[in-house]
Amino acid sequence: QLQLQESGPGLVKPSETLSLTCTVSGGSISSSGYYWGWIRQPPGKGLEWIGTISYSGSTYYNPSLKSRVTISVDTSKNQFSLRLSSVTAADTVTYYCARLVEGDVFDIWGQGTMVTVSS
Amino acid sequence: QLALTQSPSASASLGASVKLTCTLSSGHSSYAIAWHQQQPEKGPRYLMKVNSDGSHSKGDGIPDRFSGSSSGAERYLTISSLQSEDEADYYCQTWGTGVWVFGGGTKLTVL
Repeated sequence: QLQLQESGPGLVKPSETLSLTCTVSGGSISSSGYYWGWIRQPPGKGLEWIGTISYSGSTYYNPSLKSRVTISVDTSKNQFSLRLSSVTAADTVTYYCARLVEGDVFDIWGQGTMVTVSS
Repeated sequence: QLALTQSPSASASLGASVKLTCTLSSGHSSYAIAWHQQQPEKGPRYLMKVNSDGSHSKGDGIPDRFSGSSSGAERYLTISSLQSEDEADYYCQTWGTGVWVFGGGTKLTVL
């Protein structure tokens, strides 16, 4: 069964770049028809889509974050990654990675990783 | 602009049924949506996809107590025979060309 696991530092300093990795196990990240995405959630609040990468490498970003976000795939490691630059306290949230089926629904989610932005 | 609206809260008694609503923004009434459940202190879990014609397809292992339906721009999630573990936040989600959107979520309390 396909599983996703987020990893990365739990603490990032303000103005620095946050880097997270999602490792896919139980299946290939290169399978056609699947997209991969990042979503985040502030404490006690709702879900916010960050960005998506397709199996062909096309990327799509939330306009509100687009200038600071980069999503990439490393097929050799069966991983995809999120980079968020110039972080502030507002980026102190839980980050989730997820698979999209045919580019529409997020059908498999990682357990999430909490990141705190603080000096 | 593509958007989803959900009521912030809902409640129902143990063993009863509840119907949660997700409303698509104007001009997007033909869009399908997905429902996700987030139990306390856990990550989201995909429940089902609901199409504009009311048909729905559920994720693996989702009990028959969960069903979806549609009417106009509204998409529904009905949970019957409510159990204590159904107390959770429920989010709807949709997609357009290069954009994915979540509703604000409904917090369901099981009394």
